[in-house]
Amino acid sequence: EVQLVESGGGLVKPGGSLRLSCAPSGFTFSSSTMNWVRQAPGKGLEWVSGMTASSTYIYYADSLKGRFTISRDYAENSLYLQMSSLRAEDTAVYYCVRGAWNGDWFFDLWGRGTLVTVSS
Amino acid sequence: EIVLTQSPGTLSLSPGERATLSCRASQSVSSSNLAWYQQKPGQAPRLLMYGASSRATGIPDRFSGSGSGTDFTLTISRLEPEDFGVYYCQQYGRSPFTFGQGTKLEIK
Repeated sequence: EVQLVESGGGLVKPGGSLRLSCAPSGFTFSSSTMNWVRQAPGKGLEWVSGMTASSTYIYYADSLKGRFTISRDYAENSLYLQMSSLRAEDTAVYYCVRGAWNGDWFFDLWGRGTLVTVSS
Repeated sequence: EIVLTQSPGTLSLSPGERATLSCRASQSVSSSNLAWYQQKPGQAPRLLMYGASSRATGIPDRFSGSGSGTDFTLTISRLEPEDFGVYYCQQYGRSPFTFGQGTKLEIK
């Protein structure tokens, strides 16, 4: 089955760190652009970060100001999002998302998401 | 950053009616690099359209997209009960790849 499964979400205190993981299956991960998109409770979608299949190009949302780092491990077949200096406004469901088959940056496969709650 | 503004915020229609959703960009979106997604409560979004007017796999032909430059439209010709939810546009011509704030399509 073609799918993305996120893990690593949970409750973290302001200023803390968390690493999210994404496990793809059913498609060639090494050939796919991958992204993270988040959605705060009751709010809209916000693209967070993305990287090309070869990891040559990495992009981030302007609002993150260097606090998040996207990475991928081809041997482990996984995508990661390292989040640091977390703030209450980072509270959201974080979706692992696959970029388009043609390399464009629209998203044709979404995971079910993992909830990150930043609170003291 | 390209800001996308969707209108209306909420659209109340009945099954069988025609829905027209708008997405306006603060700058021209290159090569019509605009996509539309549908999200239902408790679910992840689903890709509907890309390239402004191309339907994604499995999307019925009652969905159509149009537009270029800064003005884009998603049209649902005859609403089915399963079409209700929140619709988002997204530009992918330039990083950061931004989304609109969404249009909620609700049953009247």
